[in-house]
Amino acid sequence: KQEVTQIPAALSVPEGENLVLNCSFTDSAIYNLQWFRQDPGKGLTSLLLIQSSQREQTSGRLNASLDKSSGRSTLYIAASQPGDSATYLCADTGRRALTFGSGTRLQVQP
Amino acid sequence: GAGVSQSPRYKVAKRGQDVALRCDPISGHVSLFWYQQALGQGPEFLTYFQNEAQLDKSGLPSDRFFAERPEGSVSTLKIQRTQQEDSAVYLCASSLGLSGSYEQYFGPGTRLTVT
Repeated sequence: KQEVTQIPAALSVPEGENLVLNCSFTDSAIYNLQWFRQDPGKGLTSLLLIQSSQREQTSGRLNASLDKSSGRSTLYIAASQPGDSATYLCADTGRRALTFGSGTRLQVQP
Repeated sequence: GAGVSQSPRYKVAKRGQDVALRCDPISGHVSLFWYQQALGQGPEFLTYFQNEAQLDKSGLPSDRFFAERPEGSVSTLKIQRTQQEDSAVYLCASSLGLSGSYEQYFGPGTRLTVT
């Protein structure tokens, strides 16, 4: 059974810093790896989806990488802004339902 | 078009009461998923449907939980005799297809508090 872990659980950085969020998974036979953002009281917003045959995806200031052999994915956020403050979740999309990590709560200080 | 909607957004129930949570998926989406998110945790899978067929209910925590999608569109998650450990956010997601190649779109969730 796939298990997904995210470290750290919480992170606070000053505005403008570049930062990396980590995601690890136990089963390297990952289907696709997806990163989400969750704002308080809101649902999940998909940020990036990396298919199992890919190694990275980029969207604006976000870059996500996938290393199946080591069971790790990272989300890189460049030039962080206060509006980036949210909880970031990674998930193995699986063949059916998603398996999520417990998230990293990010606070960007102005 | 409209996204996934859920109602009510907040529900407070006394222990022992039955509750019903509604999900309206994106029109035309074949698959519908329910997840439970406890405070400070990631969402955990409960059940999913393809059209009106419930194909997997292995994530339902007990026989007090029941889900249906009788006409293949709107779905209802029912919890009987609610317990305090049922307090969580219940998220619904829909997708065009069933395989992991199809992106799931999430609703805002229903926050259930059992007192």
